[in-house]
Amino acid sequence: EVQLVESGGGLVKPGESLRLSCAASGFTFSDYSMNWVRQAPGKGLEWVSSISTSSAYIYYADSVKGRFTVSRDNAKKSLFLQMNSLRDDDTAVYYCATENDPGEFDYWGQGTVVTVSS
Amino acid sequence: QSVLTQPPSVSGTPGQRVTISCSGSSSNIGINSVTWYQQLPGTAPTLLIYSNNKRPSGVPDRFSGSKSGTSASLAISGLQSGDEADYYCSTWHDSLNGPVFGGGTKLTVL
Repeated sequence: EVQLVESGGGLVKPGESLRLSCAASGFTFSDYSMNWVRQAPGKGLEWVSSISTSSAYIYYADSVKGRFTVSRDNAKKSLFLQMNSLRDDDTAVYYCATENDPGEFDYWGQGTVVTVSS
Repeated sequence: QSVLTQPPSVSGTPGQRVTISCSGSSSNIGINSVTWYQQLPGTAPTLLIYSNNKRPSGVPDRFSGSKSGTSASLAISGLQSGDEADYYCSTWHDSLNGPVFGGGTKLTVL
């Protein structure tokens, strides 16, 4: 059974940093591109970042470019999102998701909540 | 303002057929396939339709997708109370190197 478990969320002040993790199991992690998608309270889905299987290709939404860094450790079957210079509008549930074909996310984690507030 | 436009809400009665539209442009839906996700209340999204009209295993054939030109639709037939959820369309955005989502449609079963 495919499982994605996010962790690392919490309450931080504007300008602070947070590192999210996503632990994968039940599939060959190194075979899949991985993504982060977020959802602000009461709002829709927003793609945040993607990373290819070998980390050769990494992309970010304009809203997080220069502040967020995605990485992965295939040996540990883990995905990460380093979030720096956090802003109020980064408040959201952050989901990790597997990418079967470009833009098609077939498995999602349960999400981790990030709240940025002074 | 989402790149893809969906109605904020639709409703129907049990057993009815409803459709949810997703409008894009020649630079997104017009040249890429459409994906649909279902998000039940308080849960993570799940893949519902991919490649415009394909269903992952386990998704009932009551759910169907279609695409024509720069628009796509999700149809749900034999509506059930358990179908109450938010539905999101998505497609690839070349200049972003990532997907864009519609604003979501809340389905209410009356």
